[in-house]
Amino acid sequence: NAGVMQNPRHLVRRRGQEARLRCSPMKGHSHVYWYRQLPEEGLKFMVYLQKENIIDESGMPKERFSAEFPKEGPSILRIQQVVRGDSAAYFCASSTGLAGSNTQYFGPGTRLTVL
Amino acid sequence: AQKITQTQPGMFVQEKEAVTLDCTYDTSDPSYGLFWYKQPSSGEMIFLIYQGSYDQQNATEGRYSLNFQKARKSANLVISASQLGDSAMYFCAMREGVQTGANNLFFGTGTRLTVIP
Repeated sequence: NAGVMQNPRHLVRRRGQEARLRCSPMKGHSHVYWYRQLPEEGLKFMVYLQKENIIDESGMPKERFSAEFPKEGPSILRIQQVVRGDSAAYFCASSTGLAGSNTQYFGPGTRLTVL
Repeated sequence: AQKITQTQPGMFVQEKEAVTLDCTYDTSDPSYGLFWYKQPSSGEMIFLIYQGSYDQQNATEGRYSLNFQKARKSANLVISASQLGDSAMYFCAMREGVQTGANNLFFGTGTRLTVIP
């Protein structure tokens, strides 16, 4: 079974450009989560999605950030007009969504650098 | 208040020895789950072990065990017989509302473990 896939692994953008990060969940998983990790810090929750629905976006900045998980294809985290403070590692995780442990399995992350 | 607290920024352990990484948590939800993840220098997050708040026994997975003390709200990770490959950052995380299904994880700030040959 393939794990959670993220691409690109590294992304460099200039200030003002758009960053688009992709995440394909593990086979059989219908729940996707995005987290951000600043250097030397733990992961911070951004958004939780199911197919075609945003369930919880309480951790996502209100401006410039958006996420989607379409019926077909990967989940996308989009950052418009990036600024230097957006430089971070962005992790996607997926789970079955079932009650109980509902363990989230993480992808390798996308390291975004804003010049 | 922090939901997850890891008070050890760095730890050293001799190869083949056991080491305990501390984690305390704060929640008023009676139903929660505790997780440990390993982040090696390559950057990926690797799931290690899970403990549910209603589990009667401490979780174990190979060389990893979780010392769960509910009254103290602590969930320390014990790694036995340390190996050089165990050198990494270790994060404790919590999910509240386990009975209601999927929810986000709250992470601690991590402990950097270095295994000395």
